[in-house]
Amino acid sequence: AQKVTQAQTEISVVEKEDVTLDCVYETRDTTYYLFWYKQPPSGELVFLIRRNSFDEQNEISGRYSWNFQKSTSSFNFTITASQVVDSAVYFCALSEAQNAGNMLTFGGGTRLMVKP
Amino acid sequence: KAGVTQTPRYLIKTRGQQVTLSCSPISGHRSVSWYQQTPGQGLQFLFEYFSETQRNKGNFPGRFSGRQFSNSRSEMNVSTLELGDSALYLCASSLERGLSTDTQYFGPGTRLTVL
Repeated sequence: AQKVTQAQTEISVVEKEDVTLDCVYETRDTTYYLFWYKQPPSGELVFLIRRNSFDEQNEISGRYSWNFQKSTSSFNFTITASQVVDSAVYFCALSEAQNAGNMLTFGGGTRLMVKP
Repeated sequence: KAGVTQTPRYLIKTRGQQVTLSCSPISGHRSVSWYQQTPGQGLQFLFEYFSETQRNKGNFPGRFSGRQFSNSRSEMNVSTLELGDSALYLCASSLERGLSTDTQYFGPGTRLTVL
């Protein structure tokens, strides 16, 4: 069965610090997709990135970067020079291709607090 | 393009009642999924609809049901409400290009409180 673990339940940093959110996943499928979503206090899940299992290239988008390592089943998310607006709960999620369609398994989330 | 919309945003019901939540996907999106979010269980998949058919179902009792209309709008229904059904119910839509898992875009959610 698929599983996503986000071991860090809460992280607190001071503005401008770099922070890495960890995500470890389990799946038996060879084709799968990994996602990161951000949930601000308003509640809506905001899509950040999608990665398929065949693309291990790391990605950078502004202050955000993602490190995908199949060897360790990890898909970590780094925020560089954090800002107060980054404060939110961040979720890592997995979808297996064998489940035709869309069914996301989420990790427990990491609450990030960025203090000014 | 308008995002996923959900109505109502807040709802208070009492035990034993039933409730219907509505979701309008992003224009052109054909798949709609529903998730339940609670402090104890986190985010859990309820079900997914595509072309008016339920394509995937999570591990929830039969009191939870849904449907999708020809315009891709979806409703979910919870009958005989229990206190434990209090949660944020999130709807997500995806384009569904047919070959791979598409990105799901989420609505603001409906916060259901059962008293």
